[in-house]
Amino acid sequence: EAQVTQNPRYLITVTGKKLTVTCSQNMNHEYMSWYRQDPGLGLRQIYYSMNVEVTDKGDVPEGYKVSRKEKRNFPLILESPSPNQTSLYFCASSLTEKLGGYTFGSGTRLTVV
Amino acid sequence: AQSVTQLGSHVSVSEGALVLLRCNYSSSVPPYLFWYVQYPNQGLQLLLKYTTGATLVKGINGFEAEFKKSETSFHLTKPSAHMSDAAEYFCAVSAAAGGYQKVTFGTGTKLQVIP
Repeated sequence: EAQVTQNPRYLITVTGKKLTVTCSQNMNHEYMSWYRQDPGLGLRQIYYSMNVEVTDKGDVPEGYKVSRKEKRNFPLILESPSPNQTSLYFCASSLTEKLGGYTFGSGTRLTVV
Repeated sequence: AQSVTQLGSHVSVSEGALVLLRCNYSSSVPPYLFWYVQYPNQGLQLLLKYTTGATLVKGINGFEAEFKKSETSFHLTKPSAHMSDAAEYFCAVSAAAGGYQKVTFGTGTKLQVIP
């Protein structure tokens, strides 16, 4: 089944403890992106990647890192999480960045205390 | 810069009534337009998209949307609401910006269907 898989689905952590949210897609998509969803703000893009080893900042990149060493994986790294990063995170992919029409993962609900 | 405005953060309709969810966009270049649906505790799912060609686009679950360039709108409609349509709906615009195709989402509209 074609899908984007995120792990974990739920995570509670403490301020400052490094964490990684994994994202993997099995559709050979070139384009991958991370979004955070907050009430009343919709989805805001954190980082995106147009292909292996090609990443760039989205609208809200502060406090986050990403890497794209393989085509299928696009992990999101929070080096020192803070409470304002408590949010619902989505990974998404599409065949190319020009076509649009994302496939989304099921989301990761992160709480930083 | 591009933007998306969804009018009404909450919309209630009776089962069997017309569903109309409004989306207006701004873009300095020809955009691609999308509607996504999000059910509770799930990711977003693509409902339909407009890229080029026919301005009336049909999607899954009986939804359709019409691209009206003169009105910069891409409203989502369904003739008869079903209980299973209760969800949050997001409009998105994709347009060339700074060398890549930037996607901007609206803030979402929660649809409530009343039995």
